Amino acid sequence: NAGVTQTPKFQVLKTGQSMTLQCAQDMNHEYMSWYRQDPGMGLRLIHYSVGAGITDQGEVPNGYNVSRSTTEDFPLRLLSAAPSQTSVYFCASSYLQGSSPLHFGNGTRLTVT
Amino acid sequence: DAKTTQPTSMDCAEGRAANLPCNHSTISGNEYVYWYRQIHSQGPQYIIHGLKNNETNEMASLIITEDRKSSTLILPHATLRDTAVYYCIVRVMDSNYQLIWGAGTKLIIKP
Repeated sequence: NAGVTQTPKFQVLKTGQSMTLQCAQDMNHEYMSWYRQDPGMGLRLIHYSVGAGITDQGEVPNGYNVSRSTTEDFPLRLLSAAPSQTSVYFCASSYLQGSSPLHFGNGTRLTVT
Repeated sequence: DAKTTQPTSMDCAEGRAANLPCNHSTISGNEYVYWYRQIHSQGPQYIIHGLKNNETNEMASLIITEDRKSSTLILPHATLRDTAVYYCIVRVMDSNYQLIWGAGTKLIIKP
């Protein structure tokens, strides 16, 4: 049981490049989400999904796209990277029923130059 | 805006109980209080959560006041490995399931 797995751990992009951050979970969780964390701050929700084929925007969705074709995977796409997207990105998942807590991956540290 | 208020930082001696306070005066009836911690910018680690009753697990205890406007996380015997940023969060159990994160409390355990 690997939990929530994020790849890559580190990434450097040039302004305007695109890339996909990968997130996979093996706990059969219906809910998956992406957060970004800037230095000294808490996490802000980018996008989330409550099941395969269903996605929705969070607090800071601009510049990011997501899709959920399977229960296990929830990739985050940066279409045209900007320096303001330099951050640490966390993927998290949970069951929808009850008050199930979120399980987090160990993050992807992205630098856009 | 964060729906919780926490002190910016706290110290605690190793082996003593660490008591971390949190104010959530605008909490609604269906909002749970969750505690997470983050060590060295790793992914946040779930600690404990509750709705209105006190809760205890192998990591910590959570004391929620009767009016639910504040709570305290208790680490009974703090160790150096408990040094981390601790986040108190409320979560609405709707389709969004959004957690509103504040800046947390930096807890430093001193030998």
